[in-house]
Amino acid sequence: NAGVTQTPKFRILKIGQSMTLQCAQDMNHNYMYWYRQDPGMGLKLIYYSVGAGITDKGEVPNGYNVSRSTTEDFPLRLELAAPSQTSVYFCASSYLAGGGRETQYFGPGTRLLVL
Amino acid sequence: GENVEQHPSTLSVQEGDSAVIKCTYSDSASNYFPWYKQELGKGPQLIIDIRSNVGEKKDQRIAVTLNKTAKHFSLHITETQPEDSAVYFCAARIQGAQKLVFGQGTRLTINP
Repeated sequence: NAGVTQTPKFRILKIGQSMTLQCAQDMNHNYMYWYRQDPGMGLKLIYYSVGAGITDKGEVPNGYNVSRSTTEDFPLRLELAAPSQTSVYFCASSYLAGGGRETQYFGPGTRLLVL
Repeated sequence: GENVEQHPSTLSVQEGDSAVIKCTYSDSASNYFPWYKQELGKGPQLIIDIRSNVGEKKDQRIAVTLNKTAKHFSLHITETQPEDSAVYFCAARIQGAQKLVFGQGTRLTINP
């Protein structure tokens, strides 16, 4: 299994440009998540999905959109890039085991710089 | 909603000594508490977790303790080694919720 894969690894965007961060998992997990991690800071949840066709906002969804047409893929769309979106973006997937235990498997991250 | 506070933000210990990281949570309905380790340039990885019906769990040199009454839980690393240097995150999940709430992270440095 490749686990959780993310592309691209690094990207520079100009203010106002758009892009899609790709995320795919091959573990047949129902749950998928997008986080951003600003330098020296923790993880903030942007959007999450509990299954194909179902998405919900996290704590910092403004400026982003997601879709979940398949179990495997969960792309994150930035429509009008702003310097405040400079961050490292992590995608994760998981399943709920018995007793409420959950292991989130993280991808390697996409580093985004908006200038 | 749930809020998780983590302390300290940085921690430096001598190799071979113990390290302790503490987290508090706000929602008494939280029932699952994982700890993640993030090495430089990588995504976080689960290292240990505990459910609310257990007070302590140990896995070799790492252990987690939970005090439900005080709403705090801690990560203990004994006999620290250079490869323990990383950023550690605690997290909590409210029963029935589909998402984790993460603490702010602790940068642990092991000095040789």
